[in-house]
Amino acid sequence: NAGVTQTPKFQVLKTGQSMTLQCAQDMNHEYMSWYRQDPGMGLRLIHYSVGAGITDQGEVPNGYNVSRSTTEDFPLRLLSAAPSQTSVYFCASSDSGYGNTIYFGEGSWLTVV
Amino acid sequence: AQKVTQAQTEISVVEKEDVTLDCVYETRDTTYYLFWYKQPPSGELVFLIRRNSFDEQNEISGRYSWNFQKSTSSFNFTITASQVVDSAVYFCALSDHRDDKIIFGKGTRLHILP
Repeated sequence: NAGVTQTPKFQVLKTGQSMTLQCAQDMNHEYMSWYRQDPGMGLRLIHYSVGAGITDQGEVPNGYNVSRSTTEDFPLRLLSAAPSQTSVYFCASSDSGYGNTIYFGEGSWLTVV
Repeated sequence: AQKVTQAQTEISVVEKEDVTLDCVYETRDTTYYLFWYKQPPSGELVFLIRRNSFDEQNEISGRYSWNFQKSTSSFNFTITASQVVDSAVYFCALSDHRDDKIIFGKGTRLHILP
C-alpha cells in the first residue's frame, strides 16, 4: 500500500532557489494538507485542500504556494527559499477534513543554506 | 479559534512506570474531534486514537488509555507499565466543525529509561 508518498525525502537548497515538494496519495482522499515540523513548535499547518481546485491557507502560509489540479496530487512550492524554511515537511490526506483521521507521508527534510 | 496546548515539553520516566501526557484544547464549537499521534525516533507519524465530542467515554487499548473530559477541555493520554519502545514524541490534535483543518499541539517528548 503506497498511501501518501512524498518526494524528495532530503533536499538542500540555496537561499533564493525555488523547488517543489511533491505529494501524491492513492486512497482517493478529498482532503490533503501540508505541515511543517520545527523543534519546539510541533506541527504547523501550511496549506490545505478539501478537493481538486480548492486550496486554503493554514497557520503559516507565507512563502509557500500550493495547487490542487487532481485529487491525487498536492505539490508544495517554495518560490524563493529562505533559511527560515529549513524544516521537516509532512504531507497528509484524509477522506475529508472534519473529523476524519489524517494519514501522513514519511516527511521531507529540507535545508536552506 | 482552535488551540491545542501540551504543556509538558519533555518527560522522562523509568521503564514500567505509568505516565500521563496532558492535552488541553480550545474551541468555540460544540462538535469537534480530538486525536493523538505518535512520532517514534524514526520520524513517521502514527495515528493512535480519534474521539468525537459527543463521546466522553474513556478508552483503553492495551497499555494505552485516554481520558476525555469536556468540563476541563482535556484529552489526556496515559501509558501504563511504560516500555522503552514507547519513547517518542506524542501529539494531540483538534478538528472542529467550523474548519476542515486539523490543528496540532507542540508535542510532548517522552523518554522511557531502561
